Amino acid sequence: NAGVTQTPKFRVLKTGQSMTLLCAQDMNHEYMYWYRQDPGMGLRLIHYSVGEGTTAKGEVPDGYNVSRLKKQNFLLGLESAAPSQTSVYFCASSLGATPNIQYFGAGTRLSVL
Amino acid sequence: AQKVTQAQTEISVVEKEDVTLDCVYETRDTTYYLFWYKQPPSGELVFLIRRNSFDEQNEISGRYSWNFQKSTSSFNFTITASQVVDSAVYFCALSAGGSYQKVTFGIGTKLQVIP
Repeated sequence: NAGVTQTPKFRVLKTGQSMTLLCAQDMNHEYMYWYRQDPGMGLRLIHYSVGEGTTAKGEVPDGYNVSRLKKQNFLLGLESAAPSQTSVYFCASSLGATPNIQYFGAGTRLSVL
Repeated sequence: AQKVTQAQTEISVVEKEDVTLDCVYETRDTTYYLFWYKQPPSGELVFLIRRNSFDEQNEISGRYSWNFQKSTSSFNFTITASQVVDSAVYFCALSAGGSYQKVTFGIGTKLQVIP
């Protein structure tokens, strides 16, 4: 009964390094999301996908790229990490848009030095 | 544009006290959904409830109750007889017609229940 699994749980990067965060869901959900959570800012949507092979920009997409090659996986990439990308990243998935009940992973804590 | 305001950033209560978390939303759409999520110290957000804009009936689930009032654009959450396990950050969220795939979250209210 895994639900939404995020890998890795923690990561420290140096400025300019790249990395990919992996999100996997086993609920056959169509929609998947990447959020970042910062103190005093709540959850902000980075990118989302409404189906395999499709992606769209959210509220704060700059500096990030995503891919959804398989329905169950949603990857978030940082090509050149910056200290401003230090955050906790959450992946979520949902069956559909109405109502959009989202199921979340445990989060990835990323520090960029 | 959609907006969710949770004016209370942090609340502390003593165990067994009742506590209400406020949520005010803004949307021009007549059809929308409201949600509450709980984020315990472990970090993972957990869905608590959803309500659509056509259903103003209040809901009670054990010690939890929700008061939806369209007239004041509010969707408040009350915990009765709070317990230490209720300590968490609670998020109110909104998705509205035209962009149901996007959910707008409030900044969250951190609730601390003191034994």
